[in-house]
This record gives sequence, C-alpha cells and structure tokens, in this order.
Amino acid sequence: DTGVSQDPRHKITKRGQNVTFRCDPISEHNRLYWYRQTLGQGPEFLTYFQNEAQLEKSRLLSDRFSAERPKGSFSTLEIQRTEQGDSAMYLCASSLEGRVEQYFGPGTRLTVT
Amino acid sequence: AQSVTQLGSHVSVSEGALVLLRCNYSSSVPPYLFWYVQYPNQGLQLLLKYTSAATLVKGINGFEAEFKKSETSFHLTKPSAHMSDAAEYFCAVFNNRKLIWGLGTSLAVNP
Repeated sequence: DTGVSQDPRHKITKRGQNVTFRCDPISEHNRLYWYRQTLGQGPEFLTYFQNEAQLEKSRLLSDRFSAERPKGSFSTLEIQRTEQGDSAMYLCASSLEGRVEQYFGPGTRLTVT
Repeated sequence: AQSVTQLGSHVSVSEGALVLLRCNYSSSVPPYLFWYVQYPNQGLQLLLKYTSAATLVKGINGFEAEFKKSETSFHLTKPSAHMSDAAEYFCAVFNNRKLIWGLGTSLAVNP
C-alpha cells in the first residue's frame, strides 16, 4: 500500500494562469474525491469519481474548474484563469467501494499571486 | 442536512494531561463519524471511525472516541498528551458519499 500521492506538493502561479494537479489513489480504490481547504477551515467537498465517472460536483466548482479520471486510476484537477481566491490546499482522497473511510494524500498547496 | 460542530477552535494542554476534543453532530440517520489529524502542511490522517458497531472506538496513537446518541456527540480523548500530538484535529460525518467537516480544533501541548 503506497498511499495516495499528489503532485506537485506546492504550486505558485500568477493570476490568470492555468494550473493542473495530479492525484494517484491507492491502487485498488475505485472512488476518488477532491476537496479544497483554506486556512483555518475544514476541507470542502469539490467532486467525486467512481471509476472514471464523475458522479457529483459541488456548486463550489465554478466553470473554471474541471476534473477528470480518464482510465479510472489517476485524476487531474485543472483550474483555468486562476484567481487569488483559488489559493488553498487541494486535497485528494480515495476509498474502496462499500467502505466509508477515505484516505488522503499530502495535498497540493496553491498560491496565486 | 448533516453537520458537525467542533467546540473550541484552540485547546491547550500540558504534556501528560488528558486531551478532550469535542464534536457534536446533527444527522437524521445513524451517522458514520470520523476523527482525522492534520500536521502542518500535510494531508489528513484517519485517527478513528464510528460505523454503528461499538460505541467506544479506539484509534491510532492512543486516541479513542465515544459515540453518545443521546448527546449527539463524538468527543475525542487521550489519557496522556505527548508533544507529538500537537496538530489540527477534524471531526467529520459521512453524508451521501462525501465527508462533511467541522472547522477543526488546534491542539497545543505545553512542556
């Protein structure tokens, strides 16, 4: 069990640029989640995949955000035309179907200047 | 809608003292409840979970939590705090395939 991995761990970008983050879940986990966490807050749900199907998206996810999981393994989260308000920690988690506990990666900290 | 309230955004204890972090939930159905710990600039690590089996749940690092339906609580305790326990602790409830989180409690452990 290698755990959930995320890349990059840190990203600094200028406002208006596009960024893409990657998440590799635990290998046998078919469910994958993205959350966003700002300073002093708990995580907020963004979106959820079961295998390659994106089953739910939060209203927090504006049109500038898109997530994919093309082969049901790794996932990418892209933010277009970044804004300063996008600065946050982006967390990925995975779980086994039928199990409720989620296992988190180390997160990607995004800073938009 | 299900929600979680963590009482006390900051808790400070002395090394060796009892740790008590409070969590209350609201749920219209029997809940699945979790405690996670987050160290600075890291992801969230699962401490323990309640899934309607035993009401007293033991987790990692000596932590445990008791589910009390009558009080809608799931408080986290540890008999004796270590310096390494200093971190942010989050309570969460499972709702429709995703986790709903409290705001977190920052635990400081003083020597």
